[in-house]
Amino acid sequence: GAGVSQSPSNKVTEKGKDVELRCDPISGHTALYWYRQSLGQGLEFLIYFQGNSAPDKSGLPSDRFSAERTGGSVSTLTIQRTQQEDSAVYLCASSRRGAGGGETQYFGPGTRLLVL
Amino acid sequence: DQQVKQNSPSLSVQEGRISILNCDYTNSMFDYFLWYKKYPAEGPTFLISISSIKDKNEDGRFTVFLNKSAKHLSLHIVPSQPGDSAVYFCAASARIGANNLFFGTGTRLTVIP
Repeated sequence: GAGVSQSPSNKVTEKGKDVELRCDPISGHTALYWYRQSLGQGLEFLIYFQGNSAPDKSGLPSDRFSAERTGGSVSTLTIQRTQQEDSAVYLCASSRRGAGGGETQYFGPGTRLLVL
Repeated sequence: DQQVKQNSPSLSVQEGRISILNCDYTNSMFDYFLWYKKYPAEGPTFLISISSIKDKNEDGRFTVFLNKSAKHLSLHIVPSQPGDSAVYFCAASARIGANNLFFGTGTRLTVIP
């Protein structure tokens, strides 16, 4: 498809389990971003990729969170030992260059994570 | 610290009237501003943007106004339609420094038929 896709669309897990969330950006977009939206909150930045490298990981809330991107395309966000406060909608976005901001980011539909 | 603020969590407007959604920011380095629209169970959809070199950008029924001195922007929708009912997020970024967008908490617009 032409847009950003994410999988799974919904994920329910038990506290303490690991989860992997996947993002397929728009073809040709070199920049990829992960955000999360907790209930009643705005979108919170997690991590930014330029190609396969992540020059900005400043938003990752703890060392339980990690992300990688391979082939300049697909990215996975991994949350280890999930906690109930990790419950949120995790959104992926991509943009054409990502250099220095000033670009429109296009979002996927999100993955709704519920940690019981 | 919320650098982008949308102080009205909700707004109701009659169909055909103007909807005005407001957004304030605190970081003077922000120079690119966007509005996104979000329906339930979907990701945010880009609506309209404005660069800090402009004070107005218009696209059909949607116009964004930027007042840099007041660090304020607004989105005008006219005429409002029931299909415009959604949550609207204001976002900002800076060309220098962080590449990510800073989002407000959103305003839920309801257009009453």
